[in-house]
Amino acid sequence: DIQMTQSPSSLSASVGDRVTITCRASQSISSHLNWYQQKPGKAPKLLIYAASNLQSGVPSRFSGSGSGTDFTLTINSLQPEDFATYFCQQSYSTPQFGQGTKVEVK
Amino acid sequence: QVQLVQSGAEVKKPGASVKVSCKASGYTFTGYYMHWLRQAPGQGLEWMGRINPNSGGTNYAQNFQGRVTMTRDTSISTAYMELTRLTSDDTVVYYCARALSVSGTLYFDYWGQGTLVTVSS
Repeated sequence: DIQMTQSPSSLSASVGDRVTITCRASQSISSHLNWYQQKPGKAPKLLIYAASNLQSGVPSRFSGSGSGTDFTLTINSLQPEDFATYFCQQSYSTPQFGQGTKVEVK
Repeated sequence: QVQLVQSGAEVKKPGASVKVSCKASGYTFTGYYMHWLRQAPGQGLEWMGRINPNSGGTNYAQNFQGRVTMTRDTSISTAYMELTRLTSDDTVVYYCARALSVSGTLYFDYWGQGTLVTVSS
């Protein structure tokens, strides 16, 4: 199985901050990497697919980059509604998710 | 608009089975694979398997082989996931999710609201 490791597991930030979350795969997964946002008690919401493609309706302050084993989700100018947990997911093989990164209020 | 509506929370005894439904609307049900995933509190997501609503063909994660069955009823645009021989480790939230594939990248663009299954004696 391909292991997905996110870092950090949690971070504290303020509104307006730029936030960066990383996801590392245990082997190359090309660009088969997606990012989701999840709020408490809710289903995950797709943000980015295929490493860098913004899902329709998602604000442009979210962006994704990377290929191979190292990927990044960036949130420019963090907004109040962005405090949530973020997951990466690889689809190179059987879908596997990272353990999540919780973005909390500083 | 696309919607996936799952059945309500369940409480089951250890050793019992549970069947969760996922009713799709707003798109052609047979045109997209439906996947099932689950999530323990405060944990990441675990993929359980998928069903092709058109053919009924299934693929299951190795962890659930022999214990999970995914079916569908195209007449009512509903997918089902049945899990047998429940233990306390199966006390999690179960999700259905519609899958798309672009350039070989599979992603989940619509999700059900989740169904909490509690296994307790």
